[in-house]
Amino acid sequence: GENVEQHPSTLSVQEGDSAVIKCTYSDSASNYFPWYKQELGKGPQLIIDIRSNVGEKKDQRIAVTLNKTAKHFSLHITETQPEDSAVYFCAASDGRGNKLVFGTGTILRVKS
Amino acid sequence: EPEVTQTPSHQVTQMGQEVILRCVPISNHLYFYWYRQILGQKVEFLVSFYNNEISEKSEIFDDQFSVERPDGSNFTLKIRSTKLEDSAMYFCASSPQGTDTQYFGPGTRLTVL
Repeated sequence: GENVEQHPSTLSVQEGDSAVIKCTYSDSASNYFPWYKQELGKGPQLIIDIRSNVGEKKDQRIAVTLNKTAKHFSLHITETQPEDSAVYFCAASDGRGNKLVFGTGTILRVKS
Repeated sequence: EPEVTQTPSHQVTQMGQEVILRCVPISNHLYFYWYRQILGQKVEFLVSFYNNEISEKSEIFDDQFSVERPDGSNFTLKIRSTKLEDSAMYFCASSPQGTDTQYFGPGTRLTVL
């Protein structure tokens, strides 16, 4: 089955700096890769996603890149703000209606 | 904006007791899921449900677990005889037809004593 690995487990950055979180997946059938932000005591909130027919997607300060050949995808947050502090999870799925397989999460701390 | 809701937010139970966790998915969504997250760990898939039947389940989802859509709005997860290791956050998610996107609820924290 699918296995998703995520690095780093913790990341501390200064406000205004960029943050990059990386994930690798094992199943070449996976074609959908969302990123979720989880704040303390809350459920995962979708922040951006990418499908396998696209190499990069951007939404304001957030971008995701996908390298299908290497089976890895990354989340990029620019101009980080204190409110970006949270746990970020990557995930992978092989199709509509199918389960998400999550990475182990990255605790992002943005220091002001 | 429509949201997935879950009740209760926190459930405390004794080992061996039955619990029912409730979810109201987003209206007109057709795919429903339960996931769990043990404290400090990653989110793990339990079960997916479509067209009134289970479409996939994980090895965690053993005979002690069951799901039901008793009416047009609720989606429930029942644990028949809770164990200490069932203590976790349980998240419900739903997805509309024709898309991969899953929307998560705020979770129910289950504590088994």
